[in-house]
Amino acid sequence: KAGVTQTPRYLIKTRGQQVTLSCSPISGHRSVSWYQQTPGQGLQFLFEYFSETQRNKGNFPGRFSGRQFSNSRSEMNVSTLELGDSALYLCASSLAFGYEQYFGPGTRLTVT
Amino acid sequence: GNSVTQMEGPVTLSEEAFLTINCTYTATGYPSLFWYVQYPGEGLQLLLKATKADDKGSNKGFEATYRKETTSFHLEKGSVQVSDSAVYFCALSELRGGGTSYGKLTFGQGTILTVHP
Repeated sequence: KAGVTQTPRYLIKTRGQQVTLSCSPISGHRSVSWYQQTPGQGLQFLFEYFSETQRNKGNFPGRFSGRQFSNSRSEMNVSTLELGDSALYLCASSLAFGYEQYFGPGTRLTVT
Repeated sequence: GNSVTQMEGPVTLSEEAFLTINCTYTATGYPSLFWYVQYPGEGLQLLLKATKADDKGSNKGFEATYRKETTSFHLEKGSVQVSDSAVYFCALSELRGGGTSYGKLTFGQGTILTVHP
């Protein structure tokens, strides 16, 4: 069974731009969570989706948003990029809300 | 709020040495506890988990026991290999009444392990 896939794997953007990251969960998994990993702040929870509904949200500004589609695929969007948004963005899928999470390889975002 | 504290790293060991990485947590409820491992350039892999007090999680020679009285979940391995070199993260997820865990994971800061031949 294929694992969690994230696209693109690497991305370079300029301050002020916006970016969309994509996550395809493991087949049959219906819940998707997003995390930001930086050297300074470590791993921080962004949000979680289940059945196309946001179930939980971390402490991030409104520039960070996400959505989930009927096929469970998820996207996250960051608008008006700042240098501090440079990070590894990890997506995790689980069978349903509250089950074990399986992580993808991440998207490395660099903001210049 | 919930928090996880891991021992300061990095940790450097020789092959076949004994490994302990300390992890303590603060939680308002009854969390599930996890250890994840991250190899260079990769995402996180679930190493082991425990969902209630006194549970022992184990996988690939690694073990950790959920100690509610000391709010700890220390990771141990009797004999490390060079291939164990990675970053290890302790994490917890909140437990909702009725036994369903929330998805949100709270992570420790990670411990870098380097094993030399």
